Formats: sequence, C-alpha cells, structure tokens
Amino acid sequence: DQQVKQNSPSLSVQEGRISILNCDYTNSMFDYFLWYKKYPAEGPTFLISISSIKDKNEDGRFTVFLNKSAKHLSLHIVPSQPGDSAVYFCAAIVSARQLTFGSGTQLTVLP
Amino acid sequence: EPEVTQTPSHQVTQMGQEVILRCVPISNHLYFYWYRQILGQKVEFLVSFYNNEISEKSEIFDDQFSVERPDGSNFTLKIRSTKLEDSAMYFCASKGRGQENQPQHFGDGTRLSIL
Repeated sequence: DQQVKQNSPSLSVQEGRISILNCDYTNSMFDYFLWYKKYPAEGPTFLISISSIKDKNEDGRFTVFLNKSAKHLSLHIVPSQPGDSAVYFCAAIVSARQLTFGSGTQLTVLP
Repeated sequence: EPEVTQTPSHQVTQMGQEVILRCVPISNHLYFYWYRQILGQKVEFLVSFYNNEISEKSEIFDDQFSVERPDGSNFTLKIRSTKLEDSAMYFCASKGRGQENQPQHFGDGTRLSIL
C-alpha cells in the first residue's frame, strides 16, 4: 500500500536555513492532510494540517503547501533549528477516518 | 497539555501468550485508535473505536485481536495468542468529539517483543 509516499528517507539542513519535506499521494479521496513529528522513544506529535480545500496553512515557523493537481504536499520549516531534528511523517485521511502514513523523513538540522 | 498515556512502555511475552496493552486517551475525546509500527516499516492502522464499538478495522486486525473500553478512561488492545510477527510498537491515539477534521493525538507507544 503506497497511497502516501515520502521519497526522501533523510534530509540534512544547516541551522537557520529552510527545511523542505515532501510527500506525494495517490488517493484522490484524501480530504485532510497532516504532518507529525516523532522523536525516538516517543509517539508521533501533531505538527500542522491542511484541508483539501486549501492550498496553504501556516503556523509560526511551519507552513504546509498542498498541490491537489499534482497530489503533492510539502512542509516548510523556516528557520530550521537543531531541536527540529526528528522523523517527520506525512499522513492523510478520507472522511475523518483512519490515518494513512508515509514512511517518514529523518530531518537533521546541523548547528 | 492533556496527553494520551500508554502502559507498559515495553512488554516482553512468549509466543502464544495473551497480551493486553493499555491506553488512557485524552479525557474528553470520544474517538479512539490503535496503530502499530513494525521495525523499519510504516505506521499502520489497526482499529478505530467510537460509541463503544469498533467503527473500522484493517486486515491486520484479525480474530486474535480485540479492543475494549472497560471503564470511562481506559482503552485496551488484547492479542489473544501472540505470534513472532506481532512484535512492533503499538500506538494508541484519540481524537476530540464531534469534530471531523481534527488531528489524532498519540501516546508514546508500547514496544511489544514476542520471544
């Protein structure tokens, strides 16, 4: 089941620069998309979400962009901080049901 | 901030034994979920629970699995006869009442190791 794909298993960014994490999906029925952050030995922590009727949602340093025609979303973190180093999961939902997760991207922010 | 709590953090069990994983969802939440993540794989949906019944389950959630909300606060996942392939991180999640597009909030998981 590859309905949600994160093709980059890892990303390294310098502190203060922009981090861009990407996610692609195949199911056009998805109507809500979320990003979760996960530290080792902890559960996924909700970060930011976007409804399929929008193309952008911003919360502080985090912005999620949705391109429905391309079935692509991205998470921008500006400026990146060492504490942002974690695994980032993209997830999607159809009609408020269960989450379908991507495989995750390990972000490392270098000081 | 309210949290989902899971116990135990690590459970080691012999193959064939029953195991119960426990979760205390956020107190005013009404939608409850179990997910699992086998090492090196994606987080996978197991089951959702609402209004004291299963609302949806995946192919993974076969007859060996069951869920229960025995009281007003706990939400449990039972595996009746564990197999080696049940070894995984099991995450409980909950979501607020009456709100469709709201995030699910996760606990820190139980690491289940089957020997």
